[in-house]
Amino acid sequence: AQKITQTQPGMFVQEKEAVTLDCTYDTSDPSYGLFWYKQPSSGEMIFLIYQGSYDQQNATEGRYSLNFQKARKSANLVISASQLGDSAMYFCAMREPMYNTDKLIFGTGTRLQVFP
Amino acid sequence: DGGITQSPKYLFRKEGQNVTLSCEQNLNHDAMYWYRQDPGQGLRLIYYSQIVNDFQKGDIAEGYSVSREKKESFPLTVTSAQKNPTAFYLCATRYREGNYNEQFFGPGTRLTVL
Repeated sequence: AQKITQTQPGMFVQEKEAVTLDCTYDTSDPSYGLFWYKQPSSGEMIFLIYQGSYDQQNATEGRYSLNFQKARKSANLVISASQLGDSAMYFCAMREPMYNTDKLIFGTGTRLQVFP
Repeated sequence: DGGITQSPKYLFRKEGQNVTLSCEQNLNHDAMYWYRQDPGQGLRLIYYSQIVNDFQKGDIAEGYSVSREKKESFPLTVTSAQKNPTAFYLCATRYREGNYNEQFFGPGTRLTVL
């Protein structure tokens, strides 16, 4: 069965420092997609970054980059130059392509707190 | 404004009552999804619809029902059969182009059963 594991319930980082949020996944399907979402206290899910299983390069979006290590089945999110507004829950998710549903399977999340 | 709207933002229900959560989108996306989030947890799929007049059960469909009569709308009914309905409910749509795939989420509805 497909599964996403986020082993860090909480992380602290000082403003302007970089931080890595861990995500490992398990799937037997060769075609899949990996996502990271940010959820502030207001509750909405904000899309951050996407990595396809066949993409040759690691995805980057501004201060966000995804460290994709296919052989290790890991898709860690790196946030560079942290800002106070980055404090939120972060979820890693995998797209399940079976039957073309594009269902997302989520991890349990990591709460990031950025301090001055 | 383009996007997904969910209403109401907060909803209180007495035990034994059915309640319907609204989800409307003007993104012209074919696929729509309902997820449930419990405290300290990730999201779990309740129902999804890939096209009008068609929908499929997700992982936790028991006690819920949906309809998809229009492309823009995908309401979720939480029935009295749902044993533990207090949760945060998120509606999403899917955009797909080639190998690229992204789900957009609405602002959510927080349901509390009294």
